[in-house]
Amino acid sequence: SQQGEEDPQALSIQEGENATMNCSYKTSINNLQWYRQNSGRGLVHLILIRSNEREKHSGRLRVTLDTSKKSSSLLITASRAADTASYFCATGGNDMRFGAGTRLTVKP
Amino acid sequence: DAGVIQSPRHEVTEMGQEVTLRCKPISGHNSLFWYRQTMMRGLELLIYFNNNVPIDDSGMPEDRFSAKMPNASFSTLKIQPSEPRDSAVYFCASSLSLGVNSPLHFGNGTRLTVT
Repeated sequence: SQQGEEDPQALSIQEGENATMNCSYKTSINNLQWYRQNSGRGLVHLILIRSNEREKHSGRLRVTLDTSKKSSSLLITASRAADTASYFCATGGNDMRFGAGTRLTVKP
Repeated sequence: DAGVIQSPRHEVTEMGQEVTLRCKPISGHNSLFWYRQTMMRGLELLIYFNNNVPIDDSGMPEDRFSAKMPNASFSTLKIQPSEPRDSAVYFCASSLSLGVNSPLHFGNGTRLTVT
């Protein structure tokens, strides 16, 4: 299995703004997952999008998937200081592998 | 649901010592994963089990690393002897099953420092 790669590496925004993070991968996938990691904690699963889905919403999260471009994006709307964390995409079958993550800072 | 429980939370040891990290997966989860996280290498998958059986240990960096899962509620990752380059945060994660649609549930990790 191969891992996704997130872009940008770091993102700093003001509270209330939207944050967009991107993920690219190299081979075909069954699904793509996004996780969040707060400092000093384990990763927390946010959302899973299947390969036959193009868009998925969960609260203030919106994920898109473009299998022709082998890319996905995670949009967090109306960001809050509590959204400050690292965000990872993950691909794989039985063995989930993660990219290096995007470090998001939301300034109050 | 207590989540995935890892112990100890922090471990500081001297080079050459044996280190044992412990993990209790979520009850009812059949798959367990060990990851290592460092600034340089990010999150690396070390090994994963299904129904207590190791499925893929190709990520284990060296023979100094070994993992066991004697029963459905307990797993250990052992490093013997430890080296300074083993310093990292080690995460255990569990999922309902192997398969493409099973999210991982992570513990809060063990921060290992080898001096």
